[in-house]
Amino acid sequence: DIQMTQSPSSLSASVGDRVTVTCRASQGIRNYLAWYQQKPGKVPKLLIYAASTPQSGVPSRFSGSGSETDFTLTINSLQPEDVATYYCQNYDNAPLTFGGGTKVEIK
Amino acid sequence: EVHLVESGGGLVQPGGSLRLSCAASGFSFSSYTMGWVRQAPGKGLEWVSDISESGGRTYYADPVKGRFTISRDNSKNTLDLQMSSLGAADTAVYYCAKALSGGSSYSDWGQGTLVTVSS
Repeated sequence: DIQMTQSPSSLSASVGDRVTVTCRASQGIRNYLAWYQQKPGKVPKLLIYAASTPQSGVPSRFSGSGSETDFTLTINSLQPEDVATYYCQNYDNAPLTFGGGTKVEIK
Repeated sequence: EVHLVESGGGLVQPGGSLRLSCAASGFSFSSYTMGWVRQAPGKGLEWVSDISESGGRTYYADPVKGRFTISRDNSKNTLDLQMSSLGAADTAVYYCAKALSGGSSYSDWGQGTLVTVSS
């Protein structure tokens, strides 16, 4: 099974900062990588699919990049409403797998 | 607007069974892969199972393989998850999710239903 390793597990940044979350797959998954945002007490929300395609309605400050084993989620100009846990997901082949999550807080 | 409503969660004893259902509306149900994702209290997301548009292909996470069965009824726009031999590790909120076309990234999620396995 493909393992997804996210780093860091948590981070604290100031409003307006650029934030980067990384996700590494234990083997190549082409670009079958999605990013989700889960705010406290809420349902997960799809941000990015196919590694770099933003889901409809997602603010432009969110972007994704990468392929095969190394992927990045970038939040340009962190906003207070971005406080959440972010998960990557491999959907290349079953069993699908999620990363362990990155909790983003405001400093 | 896509609407997914799960039901069937509750308290079940270890070794017991439970059937979750998800009622879908607002989209052409038979045209999309559907899945279940769970989240144990205070923990991360864990993919559980997927089913293809026609129901002909099903996939399972290793921890539930042989114990859970996913199914769908495209005439009723419903998705089910039959769970058996439940243990404490299965305690979680179970989300029904609709995949985007072209792969199982999940564009829409239900509110979830809580399954608690305890004596």
